[in-house]
Amino acid sequence: EAQVTQNPRYLITVTGKKLTVTCSQNMNHEYMSWYRQDPGLGLRQIYYSMNVEVTDKGDVPEGYKVSRKEKRNFPLILESPSPNQTSLYFCASSFQGPRGEQYFGPGTRLTVT
Amino acid sequence: DAKTTQPPSMDCAEGRAANLPCNHSTISGNEYVYWYRQIHSQGPQYIIHGLKNNETNEMASLIITEDRKSSTLILPHATLRDTAVYYCIVPMDSNYQLIWGAGTKLIIKP
Repeated sequence: EAQVTQNPRYLITVTGKKLTVTCSQNMNHEYMSWYRQDPGLGLRQIYYSMNVEVTDKGDVPEGYKVSRKEKRNFPLILESPSPNQTSLYFCASSFQGPRGEQYFGPGTRLTVT
Repeated sequence: DAKTTQPPSMDCAEGRAANLPCNHSTISGNEYVYWYRQIHSQGPQYIIHGLKNNETNEMASLIITEDRKSSTLILPHATLRDTAVYYCIVPMDSNYQLIWGAGTKLIIKP
């Protein structure tokens, strides 16, 4: 089954404790992206990647890092999480870049205390 | 900022057609209009996209006005499972990344 998976689905952590949210897709898509969603708002893009070893900042990259060492994986790294990074995070992938149909993961709900 | 304007909420009776409007008056000539929906807090789901001709797929129809300044997403026979937030999106000029607004919360009523 074609899908985007994220782990963990739920995470509660404390300020300053480094964490990684993994994202993996099995569709051989070149384009992958991370978004965050806060209550009542649409998605805001954090980082995106057009291909392996190519990453670019989205609208809200501060406090986040990403890497794209292989096509299927695109982990999101919070090196020193803060409470304002409490949010719902989505990973997405697409065959045709941002112009194509994006497939989204189920989301990761992160709480930073 | 999002380049689209949508009503914050709409109701529709089950079995009727749901017509969701979107205004994108600043759209440029080569930008597509994309529609996604999000059920509860699940990952968004792609519905349809178009440039200037009307489009139809198994989920919905997209009607784009001739001047391309607005569009309407049509769910022909709405069911309770179509209750969701619907996002109309036009990409940024510079890098074609999608900018998401707050969308329209569509409630299908029995």
